[in-house]
Amino acid sequence: NAGVTQTPKFQVLKTGQSMTLQCAQDMNHEYMSWYRQDPGMGLRLIHYSVGAGITDQGEVPNGYNVSRSTTEDFPLRLLSAAPSQTSVYFCASSYSRLGGSYEQYFGPGTRLTVT
Amino acid sequence: AQSVSQHNHHVILSEAASLELGCNYSYGGTVNLFWYVQYPGQHLQLLLKYFSGDPLVKGIKGFEAEFIKSKFSFNLRKPSVQWSDTAEYFCAVILNTGNQFYFGTGTSLTVIP
Repeated sequence: NAGVTQTPKFQVLKTGQSMTLQCAQDMNHEYMSWYRQDPGMGLRLIHYSVGAGITDQGEVPNGYNVSRSTTEDFPLRLLSAAPSQTSVYFCASSYSRLGGSYEQYFGPGTRLTVT
Repeated sequence: AQSVSQHNHHVILSEAASLELGCNYSYGGTVNLFWYVQYPGQHLQLLLKYFSGDPLVKGIKGFEAEFIKSKFSFNLRKPSVQWSDTAEYFCAVILNTGNQFYFGTGTSLTVIP
């Protein structure tokens, strides 16, 4: 199993540009999520999905969109990048959608810089 | 507001010293608790988890954590740290009936050889 994969590893955007961060998992996990990691702030949940076709907002959803058309993929879209979105983004997945009975597996992260 | 607090932001220890990292949460319901570790340049990996049963849980690499419900705490311990334990440690919580994981701000541990 490849686990959770993310592309790209690094990205530099100009303010106002759009892009999609890709996330895929091959473990047939129901639950997938996106976090951003900022110094001194830990990981903050952006969006999550409890299954194909179902998404919901997390703690910091503004400026980001998601969709879940398949079990395997959960892309994160930045429609109009802002410097405040400079961060490291992690995708994660787990088996259970209820109560986190199973731990999350994390991808390697995408380091995004918005100038 | 619901939150997870890690009061130790940066800890520096010498090898063989004992470690205890604090984690407190503010949720009133039944919770599932996790400790994750992030080694430099790597992604997060699970150290240990608590769902129910024995409040003292053992994880990988000699780490353990104790769930004290009355104190809303889930502190991480290791009796003797090694240089290779240098990393950032995150506590995480999810309500048993919830869908959102909440992470603490992390504790950076530096172990001096």
